[in-house]
Amino acid sequence: RKEVEQDPGPFNVPEGATVAFNCTYSNSASQSFFWYRQDCRKEPKLLMSVYSSGNEDGRFTAQLNRASQYISLLIRDSKLSDSATYLCVVNSNSGYALNFGKGTSLLVTP
Amino acid sequence: GAGVSQSPRYKVAKRGQDVALRCDPISGHVSLFWYQQALGQGPEFLTYFQNEAQLDKSGLPSDRFFAERPEGSVSTLKIQRTQQEDSAVYLCASSLGQGEGQYFGPGTRLLVL
Repeated sequence: RKEVEQDPGPFNVPEGATVAFNCTYSNSASQSFFWYRQDCRKEPKLLMSVYSSGNEDGRFTAQLNRASQYISLLIRDSKLSDSATYLCVVNSNSGYALNFGKGTSLLVTP
Repeated sequence: GAGVSQSPRYKVAKRGQDVALRCDPISGHVSLFWYQQALGQGPEFLTYFQNEAQLDKSGLPSDRFFAERPEGSVSTLKIQRTQQEDSAVYLCASSLGQGEGQYFGPGTRLLVL
């Protein structure tokens, strides 16, 4: 079983829609959580860290549920430029290496 | 400021050839990581440096893979006697320290024929 599981999608949504991605992780000792965004043939880019209390950055809201080992990302008012693969990321047993999910593909259409 | 840079961006190697991939991390970043990303997968951890010390190489797939960071800044990932299954994107990332977000370079796309 992979350390981080995500629904691969694709999620096809119209501009302006709200979309939510979820992921689960297996290591209950994990302490650091992130969402990364990866465009086609580009490197992953840090979108936001995820904190226990939940956090928001503009149109993006991240939530963490430690009891269920579940992380979510909500994107409001989707833009065409949000089209990308979103990677759920959790630190590994070592504490420094990152475990990546396979990513969830989002396509925002006009 | 300048981000993580990697070179070459693309490398085509014949099976059995040795290759060397270079990473320049963000200035001042203590931690440096190498990941391997296959098509349709998330990056997989290869190795980790804190300054010049290689603290973890548990993700290196075989003893054909070797990484170094002799002066605690630039790092090189070397693959000896390349095989077709080594074809992937090799990503370098750096961070200020443990638990911090990692910033990735553009990667080297390696194709072994």
